[in-house]
Amino acid sequence: EAQVTQNPRYLITVTGKKLTVTCSQNMNHEYMSWYRQDPGLGLRQIYYSMNVEVTDKGDVPEGYKVSRKEKRNFPLILESPSPNQTSLYFCASSELRLAGGPADTQYFGPGTRLTVL
Amino acid sequence: ILNVEQSPQSLHVQEGDSTNFTCSFPSSNFYALHWYRWETAKSPEALFVMTLNGDEKKKGRISATLNTKEGYSYLYIKGSQPEDSATYLCAFITDSWGKLQFGAGTQVVVTP
Repeated sequence: EAQVTQNPRYLITVTGKKLTVTCSQNMNHEYMSWYRQDPGLGLRQIYYSMNVEVTDKGDVPEGYKVSRKEKRNFPLILESPSPNQTSLYFCASSELRLAGGPADTQYFGPGTRLTVL
Repeated sequence: ILNVEQSPQSLHVQEGDSTNFTCSFPSSNFYALHWYRWETAKSPEALFVMTLNGDEKKKGRISATLNTKEGYSYLYIKGSQPEDSATYLCAFITDSWGKLQFGAGTQVVVTP
């Protein structure tokens, strides 16, 4: 079954404690992306990746890191989480257009609800 | 800065009625526009990818049009049903690398 998986689904942590949210897709997609969703603000892109070792900043990259060492995985790293990073996080993947960017509609993971105390 | 705007923010529709709402985006440097349907407690699901001016896409009772020259897309729901209740998001691809910006969404509530 084609899918995007995220782990953990729920996480409560404390300020400053490093954490990683994993994202994995089994569709051999080149394009992967992380979003956060906050009430009234919609989905905002954090980072995206067009392929292995190619990543770029979205609209809200501050406080986050990503890596793309393998095509299927795109972990989101919070080196020193703060309460303003409390949010619902989604990972997504899609094929890549020849002209760049997600070719087709993105497939979203189930979301990770993060609370930073 | 949110360059993608959706209006209205919310809609209440009677079952059986048709409705439509708008996504506005910068008309310069257009790459693509996506529409998603997002039900509460679920993940966004893809509806359409629109790439050419004048594009019209249809999926069941839902359709969308695109005007890249004036920077807007309409989503139409014909004969709304309670299962159409969701937030509808549009997303604008802002550059050739794949940077993407979502609108805040239009929440549609269909009442029987």
